[in-house]
Amino acid sequence: QLVLTQSPSASASLGASVKLTCTLSSGHSNHAIAWHQQRPAKGPRYLIKVNSDGSHVKGDGIPDRFSGSSSGAERYLIISSLQSDDEADYYCQTWGTGWVFGGGTKLTVL
Amino acid sequence: QVQLVESGGGVVQPGNSLRLSCAASGFTLSTYSMHWVRQPPGKGLEWVAIMWHSGNNRFYADSVKGRFTVSRDNSENTLYLQMNSPRLDDTAVYYCAREMTGEGPFDIWGQGTMVAVSS
Repeated sequence: QLVLTQSPSASASLGASVKLTCTLSSGHSNHAIAWHQQRPAKGPRYLIKVNSDGSHVKGDGIPDRFSGSSSGAERYLIISSLQSDDEADYYCQTWGTGWVFGGGTKLTVL
Repeated sequence: QVQLVESGGGVVQPGNSLRLSCAASGFTLSTYSMHWVRQPPGKGLEWVAIMWHSGNNRFYADSVKGRFTVSRDNSENTLYLQMNSPRLDDTAVYYCAREMTGEGPFDIWGQGTMVAVSS
């Protein structure tokens, strides 16, 4: 069964960098994933697609501060030079055998 | 401007019906596979249904199969979700989302419409 696992919360200081992790379930380590940002009381926004080889494609207008990488079954979202409006929930998503979301990570900017 | 705008949410009693709409602008809805995703209060995202771009093929999550129907009006460039026999656990914000061409990720999302199932 295709499952995505995310840590419920993360925090980092203003101006610092943070790395969020999304882990694919066993047997699915070759799947690409996408990251979406959801600010409070807003709809999700597509950020970036991350392939198993670490290559990534960002959505229109997404700043260079956002990037992605990959290692085995883990897919990462790296946000550098953190700003206050980066404080949001971040969801990973994959597809193939259905459409699946991770449980989300709540990012707090200190 | 590429945009999706949902409407039609509100309070509905269990067993009644409600139809949600998702109006697309800036692109032709019928050339993309389109999805409905929901988010119960305080919880994460849950995929609900897809209408594929080719033909009228649809597929549903087990939790809504047999009760919800997704459809499309090409002349109005609008996607619909007909919710029949809603249950208390269908209470959520409902989003429509566009699937990137041939890629899988959802690249455009609407702002959502709230559905509260309550007696």
